Amino acid sequence: GAGVSQSPSNKVTEKGKDVELRCDPISGHTALYWYRQSLGQGLEFLIYFQGNSAPDKSGLPSDRFSAERTGGSVSTLTIQRTQQEDSAVYLCASSFHREGSPLHFGNGTRLTVT
Amino acid sequence: RKEVEQDPGPFNVPEGATVAFNCTYSNSASQSFFWYRQDCRKEPKLLMSVYSSGNEDGRFTAQLNRASQYISLLIRDSKLSDSATYLCVVNMRGGSEKLVFGKGTKLTVNP
Repeated sequence: GAGVSQSPSNKVTEKGKDVELRCDPISGHTALYWYRQSLGQGLEFLIYFQGNSAPDKSGLPSDRFSAERTGGSVSTLTIQRTQQEDSAVYLCASSFHREGSPLHFGNGTRLTVT
Repeated sequence: RKEVEQDPGPFNVPEGATVAFNCTYSNSASQSFFWYRQDCRKEPKLLMSVYSSGNEDGRFTAQLNRASQYISLLIRDSKLSDSATYLCVVNMRGGSEKLVFGKGTKLTVNP
């Protein structure tokens, strides 16, 4: 079956521009997570959705970052006025919201801010 | 105490060696535990879930120690292809119940 799909796979943008990253979770998965990972670093948690609500958005680094989820499915992560330090791989993952359900990751969006 | 903590390594072992990773967690109410592996410049992939009674999948054995709040991963007869970063994952009960990743332990298996 279809896995987690992220688009675009690569994005190069100029400093100061806004970008929007998209995640299509596995059908039926109610939990959705966004992470980012800089080269050689660990996963940095950004935000977690349960359905359309975000019980935990503590990882968003600044108010330039926002995310939403509609219809309990697709999620978009928006970064406004991008900075060079925003360059990273942005990973989305989804799971069923029940004990023992693992996360399934998309291939990520590699964002480069020039 | 960090929510999920792992020895970052790196671990460098010869082929055929046995290697063990530990991961400690802070939330005593946690119920779900996993090990993931991440290859360079790839997304993390589920290696195995960790069950209370411990579980084995081929050369890989995972164990849970609730009293001491840690999980372990044992790799026997390591292969070159086992070289990767190994991430432990624990759910945080009582709050948002999100899954939290450790920073990962890097393993290199040498010929």
